[in-house]
Amino acid sequence: EAGVTQSPTHLIKTRGQQATLRCSPISGHTSVYWYQQALGLGLQFLLWYDEGEERNRGNFPPRFSGRQFPNYSSELNVNALELEDSALYLCASSLIPFEAFFGQGTRLTVV
Amino acid sequence: AQTVTQSQPEMSVQEAETVTLSCTYDTSESDYYLFWYKQPPSRQMILVIRQEAYKQQNATENRFSVNFQKAAKSFSLKISDSQLGDAAMYFCAYRREAWQGGKLIFGQGTELSVKP
Repeated sequence: EAGVTQSPTHLIKTRGQQATLRCSPISGHTSVYWYQQALGLGLQFLLWYDEGEERNRGNFPPRFSGRQFPNYSSELNVNALELEDSALYLCASSLIPFEAFFGQGTRLTVV
Repeated sequence: AQTVTQSQPEMSVQEAETVTLSCTYDTSESDYYLFWYKQPPSRQMILVIRQEAYKQQNATENRFSVNFQKAAKSFSLKISDSQLGDAAMYFCAYRREAWQGGKLIFGQGTELSVKP
């Protein structure tokens, strides 16, 4: 069975541009979570989607947004990129109440 | 708000020896879940072990076991017979009761090195 897959693996963008990150959950999982892992800041919760709806949001500005599609895959969009947005973005999926499984991450570099 | 603290930024263990990683958390809730995740250099987060707060029995998964002290809000991970492949960053994580969502709150991580 395929695990959580994220694309692309690496992404390089210029400051001010927009980035789109994608995540495909494990088959049967309805919840998708996004986390940011920036150097020195640990893992920070970004967004939680379940059944196509945004259920919870972390302490991030509105330029971080996303959506969940009918097939439960998800997109994370980061607008007006700033240098400090450079980080590893991890997606996880779960079928509540069970534990979350993570993808391999997208490394976003803003130059 | 819930918080998770890992006070050991780095730990080292000799191959085949035992090591314990510490984690404390703060919450006012009575029902919750605790996890240990491993992040090797590949950066993929791998679930090591989980503990339900309502269970008094400590969870065990092969060489990995936890010491869950609910009153003290402590959740340590013991790795027995350490192997070179255990070298990784280990994160302790808290999750609220399932119906409140699956958002994880992570500690800062402990970098474990294993010496041959």
